Amino acid sequence: QLQLQESGSRLVKPSQTLSLTCTVSGGSISGGAYSCSWIRQPPGRGLEYIGFVSPGGSTYYSPSLKSRVAMSVDTSKNHFSLKLTSVTAADTAVYYCASQRGGAFHHWGRGTLVTVSS
Amino acid sequence: DIQMTQSPSSLSASIGDRVTITCRTSQSINNNLNWYQQKPGKAPQLLIYDTSILQSGVPSRFSGGGSGTGFTLTISTLQPEDFATYYCQQSYTMFRTFGQGTKVEIK
Repeated sequence: QLQLQESGSRLVKPSQTLSLTCTVSGGSISGGAYSCSWIRQPPGRGLEYIGFVSPGGSTYYSPSLKSRVAMSVDTSKNHFSLKLTSVTAADTAVYYCASQRGGAFHHWGRGTLVTVSS
Repeated sequence: DIQMTQSPSSLSASIGDRVTITCRTSQSINNNLNWYQQKPGKAPQLLIYDTSILQSGVPSRFSGGGSGTGFTLTISTLQPEDFATYYCQQSYTMFRTFGQGTKVEIK
């Protein structure tokens, strides 16, 4: 069973860069069976898709975030990463990583709350 | 963007009730529709993908249907552990979008 775990900065100052890593266990990213996605959820609100990175490094980003987002994958460490630049309070959310196969998100990390505050 | 509209936004139901949640999309998405369950403080869990395929381990009281622009999630006999928020999500376009959620509460 695939397991994912987010890690990274929990408190980020406005205008700075949010950085998160998702470590995958129970399966190899390089196997190519799934893409690595990021989804966020502001407190008390719904789910927002951020984008994905494929095992080969191809990316797709949400149009509303693409100017500030970068995703990467490190198959040797079996993890993938998210960077979001120039953050504001509106970026405060629980950030989830998930495996994406055929368009559905089959396995999710537990999520990590990232707060943007000075 | 494909807009997703779930109805109702919330509902109250009793144990044993049959519950149906509807998801409508702003354009046809064939059968590229998925459903998730989220409990407070937890990550969403995939229930159904491609409109009607039950994810492994999901109880058979959950079922999905529809096509084109209209889809449903049905819980045939509501159980205590089913009180949660449910989201639909389209996978027709690269820009995946979610419905706003339907909260199922205890009557």
